[in-house]
Amino acid sequence: SQQGEEDPQALSIQEGENATMNCSYKTSINNLQWYRQNSGRGLVHLILIRSNEREKHSGRLRVTLDTSKKSSSLLITASRAADTASYFCVFKTSYDKVIFGPGTSLSVIP
Amino acid sequence: SQTIHQWPATLVQPVGSPLSLECTVEGTSNPNLYWYRQAAGRGLQLLFYSVGIGQISSEVPQNLSASRPQDRQFILSSKKLLLSDSGFYLCAWSWWLAGANTGELFFGEGSRLTVL
Repeated sequence: SQQGEEDPQALSIQEGENATMNCSYKTSINNLQWYRQNSGRGLVHLILIRSNEREKHSGRLRVTLDTSKKSSSLLITASRAADTASYFCVFKTSYDKVIFGPGTSLSVIP
Repeated sequence: SQTIHQWPATLVQPVGSPLSLECTVEGTSNPNLYWYRQAAGRGLQLLFYSVGIGQISSEVPQNLSASRPQDRQFILSSKKLLLSDSGFYLCAWSWWLAGANTGELFFGEGSRLTVL
């Protein structure tokens, strides 16, 4: 399957802690993106990292990409209750297909 | 700026009835358009994508169909719904320019379909 895999499937942390989500994929990619989905809503783009990049920051978000291991991680620092959502890694293959991972459900407890 | 509208937001339909979900994009021309389905607690499954008027590619064989009658309009249809068609349907668009197309998707708010 070309589907990505994410772990953990669900994550529950206290407000102020850091949250780390991991994503693995099987094919060659052009870039990898992370999206966020609040319950029952559309997805919102968070950050994109290209295949020739290793790390990228945006506010409290830090994304790493290891193309040799075909994996990526999303770190949310100093989490807030408003960060509670599902997070999806999405990768664009060399054939221009956009493939979603199954997502990680994050709960941040106030 | 670009906006995407998707409707209806919720829909409850009996088995065997028809379906029509609509999606329109404003503020851009010739976007790539997509229909995704999300089962409860799961990731997104690409159903259809379109790179131009009348050009539809199907990713998953099923009793759903898609049409693009206008540049910025994308419609998801079914002649006879099945119970398994229940789910959350998301329309999305991306830039069409290959060089500028990073694959970033811009999503509508979704349509929740319940087939009874």
